[in-house]
Formats: sequence, structure tokens, C-alpha cells
Amino acid sequence: QQQVRQSPQSLTVWEGETAILNCSYEDSTFNYFPWYQQFPGEGPALLISISSVSDKKEDGRFTIFFNKREKKLSLHITDSQPGDSATYFCAASEITGYQNFYFGKGTSLTVIP
Amino acid sequence: GPKVLQIPSHQIIDMGQMVTLNCDPVSNHLYFYWYKQILGQQMEFLVNFYNGKVMEKSKLFKDQFSVERPDGSYFTLKIQPTALEDSAVYFCASSLGTGGISNERLFFGHGTKLSVL
Repeated sequence: QQQVRQSPQSLTVWEGETAILNCSYEDSTFNYFPWYQQFPGEGPALLISISSVSDKKEDGRFTIFFNKREKKLSLHITDSQPGDSATYFCAASEITGYQNFYFGKGTSLTVIP
Repeated sequence: GPKVLQIPSHQIIDMGQMVTLNCDPVSNHLYFYWYKQILGQQMEFLVNFYNGKVMEKSKLFKDQFSVERPDGSYFTLKIQPTALEDSAVYFCASSLGTGGISNERLFFGHGTKLSVL
């Protein structure tokens, strides 16, 4: 069973536009949701994260919106730049006891200059 | 920042051979992970490891797979014997484990590309 789902699979936006990446999860015990950014040939790197006690987390041009009731979240990238072109993974974890991180299939973002 | 090192970056072997992928996690981290990625797509969880033990493994972690970290050295993933479907990029990751919610993060290595011929 896919614990974390992402959509769309790929997304293309023009430079300056807002990119919206969606994520949903199954397990209501998940309480921590990091987003990872991956460039070709590299490992994923943490971009921004949110815990389930918050409904919004902002860091510069990156904002996570979280809806606990619907078990959905989204990553908004405002003023998209060509350097933002990468694959973005939504992950979920339950930070109690030992931990594991479940990843979605990723959204491949292309920002056209 | 903290780095996870993976050795080698690329490994080519014949089907049926044994392979060991090596990972040097961040020094003070307590949790270690292996993920499998095919064609730059989904990061598939394989296994996590804490305090010398496998804590959780997925169905992808076949009987031919094993992990260990002897005496605090490399955290290794061994596949014996290898199969064609094992071809993928394998990412090692580590996390602190005591950072508390909102502070936990996985640090990934650059991956080892495994090609089974």
C-alpha cells in the first residue's frame, strides 16, 4: 500500500510563476512531513518540513500548507526559478520511538526561463 | 554541513555475484537507512538500522539482502546473490534520532549506482 502519494508526476511552469506540488498520506499517526529536493546525480536534500501541529510553514519562496483532517499537504514555490528544476519528494514519518520515513514517488519540476 | 559518504559511486557486477555497498554516515547519527531508487523515481525504503539491529524492513529487502555496521565502521548493504532487478541507485541515509519532532532530517549520500549484468 502506497503510504504517501504525490501529484502531479511532472510539472512545468514559467519562470516567475508559482508551482504547486501536492501530497497526501494514509497513516493518521504520521506527524512530521519533510519535503526533499533532488537534483540529477545527487541524493535528496531536505528543503522544508512541517509538523502536524502546524497548518503552514514558510521558508523564503517555499511554503507548505497542511490539512490534517484531509491528510493532505502541498508545497508552493513562488517566483519559480530555473534553478528550482528538480524532483521533489514528499515524505512522512511518525517521530515517536524509532522512526522511518516514507517517500512519495516524487514530482519532477521544470522551470522554463 | 554533515555529509554521508557512499563508496563506490558506481559498481558493475555479473548476476549471481555478491556485492557490498558501503556507507559512512554522519558521525553522531544513530539511525541508518538504505533506499532504492530506479530511474530517478520513487525512493523505495529498504531497511533501517538502529543500535546494531534492523528495526524495520520492507518487502523489497529480500532474503539475499543483509546490513551491518561492525564496530561503528561503515554501514553496509550486502546483496548475495545479485539479480538483474537489483540494478538501481542505492542511497544510504542517516538521522540523528534524538532531535525531536520538527528537527529530524535524513542526510543522504550521493548514492551508489549498481549495474547487474
